[in-house]
This record gives sequence, structure tokens and C-alpha cells, in this order.
Amino acid sequence: AQKVTQAQTEISVVEKEDVTLDCVYETRDTTYYLFWYKQPPSGELVFLIRRNSFDEQNEISGRYSWNFQKSTSSFNFTITASQVVDSAVYFCALNAGGTSYGKLTFGQGTILTVHP
Amino acid sequence: GAVVSQHPSWVICKSGTSVKIECRSLDFQATTMFWYRQFPKQSLMLMATSNEGSKATYEQGVEKDKFLINHASLTLSTLTVTSAHPEDSSFYICSARGRGRGEQYFGPGTRLTVT
Repeated sequence: AQKVTQAQTEISVVEKEDVTLDCVYETRDTTYYLFWYKQPPSGELVFLIRRNSFDEQNEISGRYSWNFQKSTSSFNFTITASQVVDSAVYFCALNAGGTSYGKLTFGQGTILTVHP
Repeated sequence: GAVVSQHPSWVICKSGTSVKIECRSLDFQATTMFWYRQFPKQSLMLMATSNEGSKATYEQGVEKDKFLINHASLTLSTLTVTSAHPEDSSFYICSARGRGRGEQYFGPGTRLTVT
């Protein structure tokens, strides 16, 4: 069975602060993909990143960065110098192989509020 | 590229009626489509997976006779909520995946309110 845990239900920061959203996953498959999505108030999911299980390189995209550590089954997401527009719900998701191939298992989501 | 649309974006219906939600892949052929449901302040839960031309595979606990899924073409899947009740009020989101692609592309969602 696949499981994704986002321990932080809500995070509140002030603009320009850095914030890290945690994600821990469980799977028995050796091949899997990890994702982060942003869901603004409109509801539409915005794809942020996909990572496969064989690529542990950290990634940076502008103010966003991701830290993937297989040893701790974590895929954390950091926003540097947060902005009000970053306020949204963020979901970490897992797409594993085997009989679950193609299915996305989502974490509970973290509500991020960035105050001006 | 890889745009998925949903129609309608929101719908209000009376208890006992049926509602159909469409999910279309606009610029690619979707061999697999997924339907998710999201209750307020909760995560997305997969309801079913449909492959073009095949019957949908439902997740445990999802009533297949209540949530009818049809994936009749490579660009269209429909979800029909039959005899809707207030507890079916939710945000329904579809996603589509093309042949040989691992990526899923999400639609904008449909907000269903049953009164």
C-alpha cells in the first residue's frame, strides 16, 4: 500500500520568510514517482515537480527547491522568500508501480498562508 | 500542450436527480483517465480509473452503480452521479494520461452542490 504523510496541516508565515513543507512517503515499490502540486483557492491543481525514485538530486526552480532523501523517505519542499501569491494548499503525491501503477496517492495537504 | 477541460465547472442540483460531468483532453489522446473527489478542506481521493474502451476500475468503497463512468473515446470521459444526495456534494477532479506517458494532467474541477 502507498501512503503519503504531510505532517503540517497549516503553516503561517510573513512575506519574505522561507518555509519548508514536509512530505514523508511509504511504498514497497522500488520504482515510483513523487510530485508536488499547488492548489490555489480556484481549486485547479498546479503541477510543480515530478521526481523519480532513481534521481535523488535536489532541484531548484526559482524560489522553489526540493530535497529528496530516499534514506528517510522524504521529499520536502522549500519556498524561499515567500510571497502572498504563494498562499495555497500544497499536496505531495506518490505514484508507485505494480498494481498501483498510474494511481496517485495524495497527502493530506498543507495550507500555507503568507501574510503581507 | 496537455490541456484537460471539465464541464460544467460548477453545478447545483436537487436531491434525487442525476448529474453528468465531462472530462476532455483537448490536445492529446488520453488512454487513461482518473476521477478524484475532494471534500472541503480534505485531500483528493481517487474514485476510479478508466481506460478507453474498458470498464472503469473503482476504488474500494466507491459505489460503481452510483458513480457511472464512461470512457468512450480517447478524448472524453464522463462521470454521472446518479440519484445525487447532499452527501455527494464535493469537488470532482479528473486527470488524463496519454499513451506511454507517466504524467497526469488535471482538469480544473467541477464543484457539485446537491440541495
